[in-house]
Order: sequence, then structure tokens, then C-alpha cells
Amino acid sequence: GNSVTQMEGPVTLSEEAFLTINCTYTATGYPSLFWYVQYPGEGLQLLLKATKADDKGSNKGFEATYRKETTSFHLEKGSVQVSDSAVYFCALLATDSWGKFQFGAGTQVVVTP
Amino acid sequence: GAGVSQTPSNKVTEKGKYVELRCDPISGHTALYWYRQSLGQGPEFLIYFQGTGAADDSGLPNDRFFAVRPEGSVSTLKIQRTERGDSAVYLCASSVYMNTEAFFGQGTRLTVV
Repeated sequence: GNSVTQMEGPVTLSEEAFLTINCTYTATGYPSLFWYVQYPGEGLQLLLKATKADDKGSNKGFEATYRKETTSFHLEKGSVQVSDSAVYFCALLATDSWGKFQFGAGTQVVVTP
Repeated sequence: GAGVSQTPSNKVTEKGKYVELRCDPISGHTALYWYRQSLGQGPEFLIYFQGTGAADDSGLPNDRFFAVRPEGSVSTLKIQRTERGDSAVYLCASSVYMNTEAFFGQGTRLTVV
């Protein structure tokens, strides 16, 4: 079946540090990949997406590249801010199950001043 | 409204009671999804609609759960004979079509006491 595995949190960083959150997936075919973010007290928001191999999604300084050879979609940001403190979810949408997003367990990121 | 709207935002009910959760999707979005999120976990798929019909209800945990979308817009998730284990945040999302990114509402926090 389709699945997403992401690194466990919490990840605690100082402001301006480099952030990486690992995400790997298992899926048949060529899934679309997404990162969603959930800020404290808010709903899930789409952060970025990639729909085919080697695509790079980017938004708000975050980037992730769809790597089919390693079945990965790691999220990176070069210099985090306190306002980036949130829970980040990796998700996939597989071609054999359109409409059925598969989410990882989420990674909490805490950025301290 | 501009986003997905869910009502109520919070619902406390007694064990055994019936509840209805409402979702108003983004105008023009043909696909609508219901997910459930427990504390510290990623969203878990329940059901999705393409238009008025339930295209995939494989995530509904049992026959106490039912959802409708009679006119292809607003959807209602109905839970009969609620149990304490039903306590969670119920998320609704919509997308232009079933193979595109989904936009989530703020969720309804259901507490069964």
C-alpha cells in the first residue's frame, strides 16, 4: 500500500539555523507529493508541492525536490525564523488512489530566538 | 467565503448521542474530503466525494459514520451512537479536482464525554 514516513520530532533549532525534515514514501506509479504546515491553533495549509520526478516545489523560503530514485521529498529551509515553529506534514497522492491523500505522522519544529 | 468553512469549531457531546459536522467547501471545487486527526498524528482519510457521490468511503471506521453531499457543495458528516474513541479533530478539505492539491478547513474538534 501507499505510505509516507517522516522523521520524528520535535526538532528544535535556533533562529537562522538550517532545517531539514526527511520524508520518504512508498507508492505505485508516480504520485504527487506535498508538504503541509499546521501552525499553532490553525488548520493545515499547503506549503509546497511537486507532481513529477525532479520537480522542485518552493514557497516561503522552503524547498523540496521530488527524488524518485530515493523515493524522497525532504523539506529544507536555509534560515529558519521563530515564526516557522509549526508541525509539518509530508503527504502523497497516488495515481492508484486519486482523492486519498496519505499523510505522514508530522514533525514538530520549534525555533528558539 | 474564500476558504473551506467548518461548523461547529468545537462540539462536546455525550456518549451515545448523534452528531452532525458541516463542511462548506471552496466555491467551484468538485472534490471534497473528510479526514480525522488524533493528537500527535497525521490526518487519516475517511471519505471523499467527487461531485455528489462518494467516490471512496473506505476510510469510514464503521457503519456509525456516514457522510452526504446532496447538491455537490456542502457536506455533512454524521456520527451515530458516538463513542469516546470518536473524539478527534475532523478535517474537511476541497480541491478543484480529485488529483490536485487539497485546501483544508480549520476543523471541528469533537469531544465525546
